[in-house]
Amino acid sequence: DIQMTQSPSTLSASVGDRITITCRASQNINRWLAWYQQKPGTLPKLLIHTASTLQSGVPSRFSGSGSGTEFTLTISSLQPDDFATYYCQQYDTEGTFGQGTKVDIK
Amino acid sequence: EVQLVESGGGLVQPGGSLRLSCAASGFSFNVYWMNWVRQVPGKGLVWVSRVSPDGTSTRRYVDSVKGRFTISRDNARNTLNLQMDSLRPEDTALYYCVRGTTNGATIFDHWGQGTLVTVSS
Repeated sequence: DIQMTQSPSTLSASVGDRITITCRASQNINRWLAWYQQKPGTLPKLLIHTASTLQSGVPSRFSGSGSGTEFTLTISSLQPDDFATYYCQQYDTEGTFGQGTKVDIK
Repeated sequence: EVQLVESGGGLVQPGGSLRLSCAASGFSFNVYWMNWVRQVPGKGLVWVSRVSPDGTSTRRYVDSVKGRFTISRDNARNTLNLQMDSLRPEDTALYYCVRGTTNGATIFDHWGQGTLVTVSS
């Protein structure tokens, strides 16, 4: 089974900061990677698929990169609405999520 | 508007069974892969199962539920089901019905509100 590992588990940041979350796959998944955002009490929201393709309606401050086994999600200028938990998910073989990265206010 | 409405959750004893259902509307149900994803409140997301649009050619499960859970769909009724047998305390979670894609990629763009399953004596 493919394992997904995110780092860090928690990230404290301020509005306006540039932040990066890393996701590593236990084997090559090409670019079959998605990112989701989940706020407390709400449903997960698809942000990015195929490693770097922004889902319709997602602000351009979000970007994704990577291929193979290492991927990143970057928020170029953190906004108040972005404080949430972020999950990566591989879909090369079925669909495994990372454990999540909580972005909170510094 | 895409709508996914789950039902069937509840409290069940270890070893018991539950059948979850998901009523879909607002899209062409019979051309989409469909999934179940679960989440223990406050914890992470776990993909559980998926089924192909025709309901028969492909059914896949996470290892922890293989042999105990069965996914099915009724395209005439736009309904997705999950039969859960031999339930264990570790199956306790909020179960989401989730739309996949038309091409088989396991990407999740629409989620139901979830139905809570509690396995406890």
